[in-house]
Amino acid sequence: AQSVTQPDIHITVSEGASLELRCNYSYGATPYLFWYVQSPGQGLQLLLKYFSGDTLVQGIKGFEAEFKRSQSSLNLRKPSVHWSDAAEYFCAVGAPENRDDKIIFGKGTRLHILP
Amino acid sequence: EPEVTQTPSHQVTQMGQEVILRCVPISNHLYFYWYRQILGQKVEFLVSFYNNEISEKSEIFDDQFSVERPDGSNFTLKIRSTKLEDSAMYFCASSEVGLINQPQHFGDGTRLSIL
Repeated sequence: AQSVTQPDIHITVSEGASLELRCNYSYGATPYLFWYVQSPGQGLQLLLKYFSGDTLVQGIKGFEAEFKRSQSSLNLRKPSVHWSDAAEYFCAVGAPENRDDKIIFGKGTRLHILP
Repeated sequence: EPEVTQTPSHQVTQMGQEVILRCVPISNHLYFYWYRQILGQKVEFLVSFYNNEISEKSEIFDDQFSVERPDGSNFTLKIRSTKLEDSAMYFCASSEVGLINQPQHFGDGTRLSIL
């Protein structure tokens, strides 16, 4: 069964600094990978998704992610964070070979922004 | 942009009581999902629903849970006899098709508090 790990529970960066959030997956092949963001009091918004092809994926809100098969990872990056980026970020995985359509979420990384 | 809407935003219920959480998926979407997030933990899949029947359910989704699409717009989650451990944030999601490579759109969630 597929699983996803987000090693960092909390990350704190200064406004304007670069950001990288880590995500590792466990799956026999290349799964479908997603990054979602949850702002306080709001639902989950899809930032980007990776299925195949170009290993650098562009998302919304200035986010991008790089897929590295050798490391079983899809790390989320942003060159310069804004205070409004403070939120919880979830990596998620889906299995393309299975008929089920559920998404398995990681435990999340809470991003704090220092002024 | 069309949204998934959930009501109420916060529900407080006595243990043992029935509760119904309501969701209005995006109008042209055909696949519907419920997830839950216990405070401080990861988002967990509960159930997926298509063509008026459950497609898949997790081990969390026991006999106390049921889902229904009572009309053309609403999608409900019922917990028949609530327990303290049902306290969580419940997210509804919908997608146009049930393939994992199609994004699921999430509502803002209903916070369920069991007393």
